[in-house]
Amino acid sequence: DSGVTQTPKHLITATGQRVTLRCSPRSGDLSVYWYQQSLDQGLQFLIHYYNGEERAKGNILERFSAQQFPDLHSELNLSSLELGDSALYFCASSVSGADGELFFGEGSRLTVL
Amino acid sequence: AQSVSQHNHHVILSEAASLELGCNYSYGGTVNLFWYVQYPGQHLQLLLKYFSGDPLVKGIKGFEAEFIKSKFSFNLRKPSVQWSDTAEYFCAVNEDGGFKTIFGAGTRLFVKA
Repeated sequence: DSGVTQTPKHLITATGQRVTLRCSPRSGDLSVYWYQQSLDQGLQFLIHYYNGEERAKGNILERFSAQQFPDLHSELNLSSLELGDSALYFCASSVSGADGELFFGEGSRLTVL
Repeated sequence: AQSVSQHNHHVILSEAASLELGCNYSYGGTVNLFWYVQYPGQHLQLLLKYFSGDPLVKGIKGFEAEFIKSKFSFNLRKPSVQWSDTAEYFCAVNEDGGFKTIFGAGTRLFVKA
């Protein structure tokens, strides 16, 4: 157990819908990262928050947004879902975010039908 | 932009065979380097890391990796693999002091008993 909690573990929805994925980092970690893992794209960096502020952005679509709340949990919002958004979405946390050692959750598997 | 290349997408070995997985990165500055492993049905976890110092680093379960700065490489090795090493292995790079960790596409290793 990494200490990072992600919910839901599985989610099935339809195209055009909106979903929210939630992540609780390890106790004491200020940084939260989101990654998308799909079969053909590998592990793609989406976004990084540190203590409530966005620190780095990767290949995140405009239909996707994220935030980190004062209690340090984070949510990834995916809207206008398309079939191609089906993937495993991982959250990871770290103490500071500047040394790169990440602790991953078990992921949220999103299936868009 | 930073990128990480893993040369082999799928590797099949028999138990006791030696393993070497290639990883090259594109960033020219100071970097932190990592190998993560994802066992079937589990979350990604850190296998080993290099921040500075001895370029030969040892990780868990008998794995080691060598950082060769002139070749921008960080190859993972294990002298004798076991069936339990069946997993997906990811090389990752974080720009020193940076806020995003970039992953390679992963190498799926299958070890035949």
